[in-house]
Amino acid sequence: GAGVSQTPSNKVTEKGKYVELRCDPISGHTALYWYRQSLGQGPEFLIYFQGTGAADDSGLPNDRFFAVRPEGSVSTLKIQRTERGDSAVYLCASSQGPNEKLFFGSGTQLSVL
Amino acid sequence: AQSVTQLDSHVSVSEGTPVLLRCNYSSSYSPSLFWYVQHPNKGLQLLLKYTSAATLVKGINGFEAEFKKSETSFHLTKPSAHMSDAAEYFCVVSDLAGANNLFFGTGTRLTVIP
Repeated sequence: GAGVSQTPSNKVTEKGKYVELRCDPISGHTALYWYRQSLGQGPEFLIYFQGTGAADDSGLPNDRFFAVRPEGSVSTLKIQRTERGDSAVYLCASSQGPNEKLFFGSGTQLSVL
Repeated sequence: AQSVTQLDSHVSVSEGTPVLLRCNYSSSYSPSLFWYVQHPNKGLQLLLKYTSAATLVKGINGFEAEFKKSETSFHLTKPSAHMSDAAEYFCVVSDLAGANNLFFGTGTRLTVIP
């Protein structure tokens, strides 16, 4: 596709459940980013991949959050034992490389009941 | 540490009048500064970027921003608002060493009145 694709667009889950959020970056983009946007706030950095490796995961809030990018393309953000406070829009972005322009997806709205 | 403060959570202007969205930054380094726009149900889109070249930066859709180091400001302006400009605008800072970690402001919602 032409842009960054995120699936699902909406995810409703119950407290304590496990969820996976998927991001398909723009083809050829080596850098991939995850951000989280809570209601009424700006996006907050979670993790950055360069290729297959996590170059910076300093934004992950705790060890319930984990992300992978095994083949250097699609990435999955995984959240274990979800809490109501995890409810937010999770944004993915990709770029041709570090310090290049970021292209954002439309996000996944996660609601934890 | 880097941070930005967007001074107005909501700005309302009439169509055809000027737009001013205010942003002040704090950075330990020579910063890169950005403005992003977020339309409902659409991804964030880069409007413009400052990286220590010209202090007046021109972006898409007629927007521009001026970097003022003495005031630590990076305000976004447009001479004449259009209905399609109604959206959420974010001021963003990163250090030059790594644009991978962007620090977003809390956003300013722009309403354009016909």
